[in-house]
Amino acid sequence: GAGVSQSPSNKVTEKGKDVELRCDPISGHTALYWYRQRLGQGLEFLIYFQGNSAPDKSGLPSDRFSAERTGESVSTLTIQRTQQEDSAVYLCASSPSGGAGEQYFGPGTRLTVT
Amino acid sequence: AQSVTQPDIHITVSEGASLELRCNYSYGATPYLFWYVQSPGQGLQLLLKYFSGDTLVQGIKGFEAEFKRSQSSFNLRKPSVHWSDAAEYFCAVVPANDYKLSFGAGTTVTVRA
Repeated sequence: GAGVSQSPSNKVTEKGKDVELRCDPISGHTALYWYRQRLGQGLEFLIYFQGNSAPDKSGLPSDRFSAERTGESVSTLTIQRTQQEDSAVYLCASSPSGGAGEQYFGPGTRLTVT
Repeated sequence: AQSVTQPDIHITVSEGASLELRCNYSYGATPYLFWYVQSPGQGLQLLLKYFSGDTLVQGIKGFEAEFKRSQSSFNLRKPSVHWSDAAEYFCAVVPANDYKLSFGAGTTVTVRA
């Protein structure tokens, strides 16, 4: 079946612009996660959605970052007034039931802020 | 502090040779343990996971990992590597009663002919 998809695959933007990244999880997966992978570093947790519960936003690095999810489907991660340190690969994952269950990752969006 | 450590940043191995990647964790209770692989331009793919039970777990692509509670380790092994195994490998954990994956910094594997 279809895996997690993300768009765009690459995004180059100028410092100060807003960007929106999209994630389509695997159908039926109730849990959705966003992670950030900066060059040469491991992945950092950003945000977690599980069903209708309030999202866990504890990993968002600043108030310029926000994310939404429509029901149990598409999620968008928005970065306002981008900075060069926001350059990274942003990865989305989904899981059938959240908790400690297996997470399935999308291919990521590579964001470059110039 | 809670952490996941992959001591080797880069490993070079000959095709056909064995491979072992180290992972150590520091958590109060044994977390759930995972190994992921990331090939160039690809997303993360789960190789194997350990939740409980048999401490030697088998994964995809001929990989296995052994959980050693006494050493707080979860090392990944493959008896004979193929050129297609060249990639970056991440050890990750989910602490007990949590859902967020915490990743090690990764180990890059280069396979030489």
